[in-house]
Amino acid sequence: GAVVSQHPSRVICKSGTSVKIECRSLDFQATTMFWYRQFPKQSLMLMATSNEGSKATYEQGVEKDKFLINHASLTLSTLTVTSAHPEDSSFYICSARDFGNNEKLFFGSGTQLSVL
Amino acid sequence: QKEVEQNSGPLSVPEGAIASLNCTYSDRVSQSFFWYRQYSGKSPELIMSIYSNGDKEDGRFTAQLNKASQYVSLLIRDSQPSDSATYLCAVIGDSGGSNYKLTFGKGTLLTVNP
Repeated sequence: GAVVSQHPSRVICKSGTSVKIECRSLDFQATTMFWYRQFPKQSLMLMATSNEGSKATYEQGVEKDKFLINHASLTLSTLTVTSAHPEDSSFYICSARDFGNNEKLFFGSGTQLSVL
Repeated sequence: QKEVEQNSGPLSVPEGAIASLNCTYSDRVSQSFFWYRQYSGKSPELIMSIYSNGDKEDGRFTAQLNKASQYVSLLIRDSQPSDSATYLCAVIGDSGGSNYKLTFGKGTLLTVNP
């Protein structure tokens, strides 16, 4: 199946710092990528839809100035958590559509963010 | 508010038994349905996709869809301890279009006992 690479897999940072997470589609071009957040024992919640070459579309309640998304190429989207706080600690997962594979959605391996 | 409901479990079955996982969805126009398996601390892995009413089989897995009842299920035959994971039901709430946004249920924790 298609491969989506996400890193780092784990980040521990101090409160107030910014953290960048990268998501790459390795063997297909992804015009659309999605960023999810998952708290312990909860489901995945869509944060935003990242569109190559245009602004991301954020879900209701997600602060666009806090969660900066850049999708500058067909294989790379980045999520930057700015001025992270302990309540931002969560499991962040990206996903990408593979148009060449029945438009299936494939997930990255996730990033566990812990803000101290 | 589009919702996807699952029994959170835990669902416990003995090795070799059939595990049955259920999911209901609120958006009647939903077209595409998926089952993902998620191990603790890992990202979801696609198990099955189903788009039309009826059954779809893939190895030990069978997905069942009933759009009239807004119900989708996953059967796992000959359950193995390695099947122990959280199973997430996911639905695309519209025709998919250009967004392909999935709405996930909270997941059902399955434990297969040796």
